[in-house]
Amino acid sequence: NAGVTQTPKFQVLKTGQSMTLQCAQDMNHNSMYWYRQDPGMGLRLIYYSASEGTTDKGEVPNGYNVSRLNKREFSLRLESAAPSQTSVYFCASEQPNQETQYFGPGTRLLVL
Amino acid sequence: QKEVEQNSGPLSVPEGAIASLNCTYSDRGSQSFFWYRQYSGKSPELIMFIYSNGDKEDGRFTAQLNKASQYVSLLIRDSQPSDSATYLCAVNLSGGYNKLIFGAGTRLAVHP
Repeated sequence: NAGVTQTPKFQVLKTGQSMTLQCAQDMNHNSMYWYRQDPGMGLRLIYYSASEGTTDKGEVPNGYNVSRLNKREFSLRLESAAPSQTSVYFCASEQPNQETQYFGPGTRLLVL
Repeated sequence: QKEVEQNSGPLSVPEGAIASLNCTYSDRGSQSFFWYRQYSGKSPELIMFIYSNGDKEDGRFTAQLNKASQYVSLLIRDSQPSDSATYLCAVNLSGGYNKLIFGAGTRLAVHP
């Protein structure tokens, strides 16, 4: 039981490049989330998916898109990366009514 | 803008002392409150959650909630060096799905 996994662990991009961050969970959870964490600012919600087939915007969705491919997988796409998107990205999953979000190990993204 | 505020620290306490971490929130309708611990370079992990006014104890940890004052705290008794980490307060927005708003975190340093 791996919990929540994320790939890649670290990525360097040039401004304007695109990439997809992958997230998968093997806990059969319905809900999945994408956060970014910047120094001094805590975690901010980018997008979430309450269940397979649904997605919704969080606090800071601009510049990102998401896909809930199936119950296990929730990907985050940067179409045209900007230096302001340099951050650590965390994926999380949660079973409703359990009040616990389980976080993946994070992806460190540097945009030059 | 719905906010969660924490003192960034560092809060330095000697081993064996009580560490007191504080958090205030702006959304008066918030119903659920969470404390996460995050070691440097790692992902957040849930320590406790609390819904009702008063205290909730779990081992060395006690969460305290005062909705009238919009204040939630975490007490760590018999602090250990292994408790040294950043502690994130999170609040579930009222009326929404489980969309958490995180504070920026308080860094705790427990010295021998």
